[in-house]
Amino acid sequence: DVKVTQSSRYLVKRTGEKVFLECVQDMDHENMFWYRQDPGLGLRLIYFSYDVKMKEKGDIPEGYSVSREKKERFSLILESASTNQTSMYLCASSLSGLPNYGYTFGSGTRLTVV
Amino acid sequence: GENVEQHPSTLSVQEGDSAVIKCTYSDSASNYFPWYKQELGKRPQLIIDIRSNVGEKKDQRIAVTLNKTAKHFSLHITETQPEDSAVYFCAASPGSSNTGKLIFGQGTTLQVKP
Repeated sequence: DVKVTQSSRYLVKRTGEKVFLECVQDMDHENMFWYRQDPGLGLRLIYFSYDVKMKEKGDIPEGYSVSREKKERFSLILESASTNQTSMYLCASSLSGLPNYGYTFGSGTRLTVV
Repeated sequence: GENVEQHPSTLSVQEGDSAVIKCTYSDSASNYFPWYKQELGKRPQLIIDIRSNVGEKKDQRIAVTLNKTAKHFSLHITETQPEDSAVYFCAASPGSSNTGKLIFGQGTTLQVKP
């Protein structure tokens, strides 16, 4: 019954590596989002996409990029991982249109950069 | 851009008591306000939401109120139970965006003591 799947639950990467986080949804949602979750800071929006090949920056896009080649898949890329990118990363999806709809979240990827 | 402030950051209540979590938002055009519950090690899940044309909504022991004039909304949990212990996030959808983007508060850790 899992509807939003993140490819890895835990990842450990070295500083300077290029890191790919994958998210797939099977609900035919138009919108997809990447957030990072840090204690005391809540969920902060990194990037989002409202259509295939479309992307928009969120509040903290520096050091990240995204790719959406297919409707069901939204990838987050850390171009050169740094220790301050150690965090929990959450993917979410939602239907498009007004009024806005709530999200369905993935289980998260806990990334540690050493 | 939209900013959402959430208080308190932690809340401890006795089983059976009520719990109230408050959020304020900055964008007066915001039109959708969901609340998410995240149990330890799990994904956030939508528990209740309210749209800007409604002042209050209830679902069993959970209620949300919205004051558009003051730009704040609150989550009320009555007759709390130990299984209500979790992190709760409020969110707001900026009025200028039709992409489903949500801006989240910092989160409230609720502990219900048996």
